Amino acid sequence: EVRLVQSGAEVKKPGESLKISCKGSGYSFTDYWIGWVRQMPGKGLEWMGSIYPGDFDTRYSPSFQGQVTISADKSINTAYLQWTSLRTSDTALFFCVARQTTADPFDSWGQGTLVTVSS
Amino acid sequence: VLTQSPGTLSLSPGEGATLSCRASQSVSANYLAWYQQQPGQAPRLLIYAASRRATGIPDRFSGSGSGTDFTLTISRLEPEDFAVYFCHQYVSSPLTFGGGTKVEIK
Repeated sequence: EVRLVQSGAEVKKPGESLKISCKGSGYSFTDYWIGWVRQMPGKGLEWMGSIYPGDFDTRYSPSFQGQVTISADKSINTAYLQWTSLRTSDTALFFCVARQTTADPFDSWGQGTLVTVSS
Repeated sequence: VLTQSPGTLSLSPGEGATLSCRASQSVSANYLAWYQQQPGQAPRLLIYAASRRATGIPDRFSGSGSGTDFTLTISRLEPEDFAVYFCHQYVSSPLTFGGGTKVEIK
């Protein structure tokens, strides 16, 4: 069974950097795409991008290209979402998601990491 | 762009629900999924490939449609079905979600 466990909630100030994580277990980490989905307070879901840890192929939504960095460390079965300079508008709940191929839906979700950016 | 309607559906337990998802362009090979999200929880996959139920999903949930028009039907609402539902196309980049339909207790 695919299990995704995310890092805990974060409270940061504008301009600070942040890296949140998502650890996969119960499957071959290099054989699944890991994606990140944003949910702003009271709003819908937005796909940010995905990475294939097997070859580090990374794809971004145009809305998030250049705003965040998605990476992975396959030695510890962990994917990351990183910001270099947070804005208050980055306040949201972030989910990591997994799927086996690009023709599959996201059928496994992490529990979510709440990021609050406030001065 | 995926447009869901209605925004909110007010129904009673035991009633049926019909949720719509309309795409601005044809969804490739009907790679359209539906998710249910309860407050404070991660979304749960209900339907994929427009009409296939995910593992463990009760048969009161069904999906239909093709091209640009898709429907999620809940035949008889159980108390645990009151939630927000999102449609999602998962093949054409950027992957997109609909804005959601909230099914609330009347």
